[in-house]
Amino acid sequence: DVKVTQSSRYLVKRTGEKVFLECVQDMDHENMFWYRQDPGLGLRLIYFSYDVKMKEKGDIPEGYSVSREKKERFSLILESASTNQTSMYLCASSPGGLMGDTEAFFGQGTRLTVV
Amino acid sequence: AQTVTQSQPEMSVQEAETVTLSCTYDTSESDYYLFWYKQPPSRQMILVIRQEAYKQQNATENRFSVNFQKAAKSFSLKISDSQLGDAAMYFCAYRSRYNQGGKLIFGQGTELSVKP
Repeated sequence: DVKVTQSSRYLVKRTGEKVFLECVQDMDHENMFWYRQDPGLGLRLIYFSYDVKMKEKGDIPEGYSVSREKKERFSLILESASTNQTSMYLCASSPGGLMGDTEAFFGQGTRLTVV
Repeated sequence: AQTVTQSQPEMSVQEAETVTLSCTYDTSESDYYLFWYKQPPSRQMILVIRQEAYKQQNATENRFSVNFQKAAKSFSLKISDSQLGDAAMYFCAYRSRYNQGGKLIFGQGTELSVKP
């Protein structure tokens, strides 16, 4: 059974803290993604990676950074957490190359609250 | 840039009835893929159905079917014989075939409730 695992389901952090959200996939996928989900806005892409050590900005990268040192792990970093980063964060992975209509697989989400 | 729009924030259907969720998108590309994902209260995103833009035939998966109108850039989801387990948030998504690292572009979502 394919799996994308996010390290925490719920997280509460203080303003100004450095926050790490971890995501691990066991499908040997090249592509990994971090999305942010907010009511009425759907899922918005923060960053994605199509190979180890490669990353590209998505639509809302400000205030975030990422790290991909190993193929199976993709970390989202909030350098200095702010209350407007309170949200649901979803990690996803998919095969690389011309993958046709292959689906992306998602983790269970991390609900982050910044106080 | 591509965009996806779901204009129905909430929909409701009676159990065993049929409901249609709307989705429109904007793109200048001719080759792409469209998806409907379901997110139940567990938050786990589940693929419901997928459509390749170059296929004229509408995709069908059991009780789920799509009405894909390429010229109109419309991709609606029809759920027949609705069940209580269909209650969830539904997201329409677009993916370019050739570039952009396989990223998905999502709509705003439609919350579907099913009344017994």
